Amino acid sequence: GQQLNQSPQSMFIQEGEDVSMNCTSSSIFNTWLWYKQDPGEGPVLLIALYKAGELTSNGRLTAQFGITRKDSFLNISASIPSDVGIYFCAGQLGSSNTGKLIFGQGTTLQVKP
Amino acid sequence: NAGVTQTPKFRILKIGQSMTLQCTQDMNHNYMYWYRQDPGMGLKLIYYSVGAGITDKGEVPNGYNVSRSTTEDFPLRLELAAPSQTSVYFCASSSPTLSSYEQYFGPGTRLTVT
Repeated sequence: GQQLNQSPQSMFIQEGEDVSMNCTSSSIFNTWLWYKQDPGEGPVLLIALYKAGELTSNGRLTAQFGITRKDSFLNISASIPSDVGIYFCAGQLGSSNTGKLIFGQGTTLQVKP
Repeated sequence: NAGVTQTPKFRILKIGQSMTLQCTQDMNHNYMYWYRQDPGMGLKLIYYSVGAGITDKGEVPNGYNVSRSTTEDFPLRLELAAPSQTSVYFCASSSPTLSSYEQYFGPGTRLTVT
């Protein structure tokens, strides 16, 4: 099936550092979403992107919909301990009217105080 | 609004047993989904539904069944549990009247089959 390649797989950073992660595919996506999952919880939507080139912020988080429509990026500025968790990208192919998404494998973020 | 709720939170099954994972949403969303999450593997779609009475297979449907008799409920049935079904299961919903791609997730059911 279709795949999203998410990198890096894991990150261990110092509190206060900036973080970057990305998702790529060989296919064109119409929508990109970024989710965060805390331990033992379900994923929570952080940012949704709907247009190529779109840049959207949510507090210290900024995400971009790549111009080629085959990739997306998430940046976290000035990380804090509560940023710890797994970050997933998700994309929607074509003009599906079912709302189905394809998910990346996730980036596990650990922040050292 | 409670959003998406799932029960039970944890369950241990013996091989061959059956069970139903419950999912309910109170957001009047037409679209609902079941995923399983294995370590390091992201989320895999099991089944989905675009409305009451309509269901369809996702990427990994074998060993599961679903029904959608109401807008609110979307139970997932395991008939003959196998160790390969040990996983964390998430239910999600979305609305075609807003953005149908913004899915909202429940807290998950952690299932172990031994």
